[in-house]
Amino acid sequence: KAGVTQTPRYLIKTRGQQVTLSCSPISGHRSVSWYQQTPGQGLQFLFEYFSETQRNKGNFPGRFSGRQFSNSRSEMNVSTLELGDSALYLCASSTGTVQETQYFGPGTRLLVL
Amino acid sequence: QQQVKQSPQSLIVQKGGISIINCAYENTAFDYFPWYQQFPGKGPALLIAIRPDVSEKKEGRFTISFNKSAKQFSLHIMDSQPGDSATYFCAATWGANNLFFGTGTRLTVIP
Repeated sequence: KAGVTQTPRYLIKTRGQQVTLSCSPISGHRSVSWYQQTPGQGLQFLFEYFSETQRNKGNFPGRFSGRQFSNSRSEMNVSTLELGDSALYLCASSTGTVQETQYFGPGTRLLVL
Repeated sequence: QQQVKQSPQSLIVQKGGISIINCAYENTAFDYFPWYQQFPGKGPALLIAIRPDVSEKKEGRFTISFNKSAKQFSLHIMDSQPGDSATYFCAATWGANNLFFGTGTRLTVIP
């Protein structure tokens, strides 16, 4: 089975721009969660989508949004980028049953200049 | 605030030694405690997980010890190998998939 794939792997943007990141979960998985990883704050939960609905949300501003498509692929969008948004953005897929193993992708590294 | 506190920040162990990483939490609602291993350039991968109804869980060289009354849990890596050199994260959650991660421990195993 193919693992979780994330595109693009690297991205450079400037302040004020917006960005869209993509995540393709493992085949058959219906839940996709997004996390932000930074050296200062560590790994922080952004949101989880299950069957095209946001099931859970972390403590991030409204500039961070996401969606999930009928094939379970998910996108996250960050609008009005700030320097502090520079991070590794990870997505994790699971079957959707709560607390089942989450499989992480390699992440998208975003640099905001 | 940090819901899960992890220590130490970094750890150097000789090959064959025991690596011990500790985590503490405050939220008594947490009911699932996984440990993740992350290599450079990769996403975290689940290593082992425990629920609060057991005090210890062992999988190969990896053991989780759980102390519910102290609200602490720890990862023990027996017979540590250079291939174990990675960053380890403890995490916790309750009734959901949103994981609260510790700050990570960078483990280096010296040959």
